[in-house]
Amino acid sequence: GEDVEQSLFLSVREGDSSVINCTYTDSSSTYLYWYKQEPGAGLQLLTYIFSNMDMKQDQRLTVLLNKKDKHLSLRIADTQTGDSAIYFCAERGFNDYKLSFGAGTTVTVRA
Amino acid sequence: NAGVTQTPKFQVLKTGQSMTLQCAQDMNHEYMSWYRQDPGMGLRLIHYSVGAGITDQGEVPNGYNVSRSTTEDFPLRLLSAAPSQTSVYFCASSWTSGGADTQYFGPGTRLTVL
Repeated sequence: GEDVEQSLFLSVREGDSSVINCTYTDSSSTYLYWYKQEPGAGLQLLTYIFSNMDMKQDQRLTVLLNKKDKHLSLRIADTQTGDSAIYFCAERGFNDYKLSFGAGTTVTVRA
Repeated sequence: NAGVTQTPKFQVLKTGQSMTLQCAQDMNHEYMSWYRQDPGMGLRLIHYSVGAGITDQGEVPNGYNVSRSTTEDFPLRLLSAAPSQTSVYFCASSWTSGGADTQYFGPGTRLTVL
């Protein structure tokens, strides 16, 4: 099966940038996703990147993909208290419905 | 649109009891799935459906049954609950399997089995 790994915790000061890292093993991964889960809520899709891209930017979010090293990162610029949540990395192959998730990184933003 | 709805929000069961977790979506999505979320393990796929009348097993199907008689509904049944099934359960839906199609998640059902 596919393996997706993430570090479990990240603490960041308000206003600083956060970088969340993820590695995956499936070389056929076509789509890579970042989901955000706030306390007591379901998962919300933040952004995704197609495997033929190196970078995608969406307002404060920047996704970097190193396909050779199978490494994905999410950078959040100017981190705010509302960014405190669990962030999940997930991957999916082309025409494959099933998502494989990492364990999630709990981001805590301190004042 | 209500999106993906799940009931109940919380449930406590005794070992051996049965129950059905409900999931419904009003977006006319073909694909629906059930995940369970356990600490430090991310989300794991239990069962999924690619359309009405069609279901298949995911990564951790044992102890769970599903059916898909309509496009809108995808209930998850626990026939004889076990403490190992204590978890948070999420239902998700999407249009198709291909492309960068977004999976929409419900708010979750927190289940405790004593």
